[in-house]
Amino acid sequence: DAGVIQSPRHEVTEMGQEVTLRCKPISGHNSLFWYRQTMMRGLELLIYFNNNVPIDDSGMPEDRFSAKMPNASFSTLKIQPSEPRDSAVYFCASSLGTSPYNEQFFGPGTRLTVL
Amino acid sequence: AQSVTQLGSHVSVSEGALVLLRCNYSSSVPPYLFWYVQYPNQGLQLLLKYTTGATLVKGINGFEAEFKKSETSFHLTKPSAHMSDAAEYFCAVQETSGSRLTFGEGTQLTVNP
Repeated sequence: DAGVIQSPRHEVTEMGQEVTLRCKPISGHNSLFWYRQTMMRGLELLIYFNNNVPIDDSGMPEDRFSAKMPNASFSTLKIQPSEPRDSAVYFCASSLGTSPYNEQFFGPGTRLTVL
Repeated sequence: AQSVTQLGSHVSVSEGALVLLRCNYSSSVPPYLFWYVQYPNQGLQLLLKYTTGATLVKGINGFEAEFKKSETSFHLTKPSAHMSDAAEYFCAVQETSGSRLTFGEGTQLTVNP
């Protein structure tokens, strides 16, 4: 299995531009999580989906952030417009379910730099 | 609300020495507990977890952790450090009634030759 796939691995953009991060979960996994990692705030859960439905988006920082999961094999996290404070590493993770008995497998992350 | 505190953002040990990374949690009920490792430029990998049962949990790469309810702790140990253990380690908690993982600030482990 290829594991969780994220693209791009690195993204550099200018303030005000739209940014779209992509994630392909492990085949057969029905839960998907988006995390953000910064020096200041550490690792934070932004949103998670179960069976393609958003379950908890309380971690999404503001309306500039949106996430979708149109099917079981693809999810996007969009920032529009982007700001320098959005610079971070964004991780996607997937699992067989949301129970703690189901391990979350993390992708390699997308390092976003907003100038 | 639950929270996780990792004592020491940086820990340095010599190769072959004991590794001890500390984690304390705050939760209204005993949660599920996890340790993850992150190597440079990679995602997180699960080392071990405690859900129920035996309070001493063994994980990959020779690591283990003990859940101590009275001390609200879940410290990670390894008897003998290896150079390949150099990484960042995260403790995390998950409430039994929810799905959200809450992570600690992380501890950077350095192993000196």
